[in-house]
Amino acid sequence: SYVLTQPPSVSVAPGQTATFTCGGNNIERKSVHWYQQRPGQAPVLVVYDDSDRPSGIPERFSGSNSGNTATLTISRVEAGDEADYYCQVWDHNSDHWVFGGGTQLTVL
Amino acid sequence: EVQLLESGGGLIQPGGSLRLACAVSGLPVSSNHLSWVRQAPGKGLEWVSIIYIGGSTYYADSVKGRFTISRDNSNNTLYLQINSLRAEDTAVYYCATNYGDLYYFDYWGQGTLVTVSS
Repeated sequence: SYVLTQPPSVSVAPGQTATFTCGGNNIERKSVHWYQQRPGQAPVLVVYDDSDRPSGIPERFSGSNSGNTATLTISRVEAGDEADYYCQVWDHNSDHWVFGGGTQLTVL
Repeated sequence: EVQLLESGGGLIQPGGSLRLACAVSGLPVSSNHLSWVRQAPGKGLEWVSIIYIGGSTYYADSVKGRFTISRDNSNNTLYLQINSLRAEDTAVYYCATNYGDLYYFDYWGQGTLVTVSS
């Protein structure tokens, strides 16, 4: 089945930019979706279809997808952004929804 | 406002059965795709099952044959019947909607914890 690879952790200082990568074979051919999960809470969709934001998600959150890597970027990071971030795609070969392993964001 | 509220979790022995429920408000279960996603303690998210608007159901390989997803349109509730429980089924189980598009999960419940242990 399709595999999504995410680095386990990212650390940034407040006000800086956090970048999360999601690797997959020819992932650019798929639509990638991103979720934020704060400790003890349910996931929240923050980017869908590579780069669109749901209502209520700040413009600081943006996404892109090219080649074998999709990217979520958080600009002007705040303490409240500290969370785990997961990428997700739908694999048409298996008719399964696939998540990456997640990346933990630490705000220094 | 869309809200999902799971219930039915608990401590269950290996080999046992449990039925999880997800009460949905703000949208009709009969006209929306609905899913279950789980998260083992300290681990990542894992898609478990989906029921399409038309009633077709799909399952992750790890639960196929043991889990059954269903819905009750009159009670606007989603269910997950889980049988032959194993230790590796221990997780928080979330219900979620595929409201905006089939391919992502836009509304989530708060989750219900299932612990499989003797």
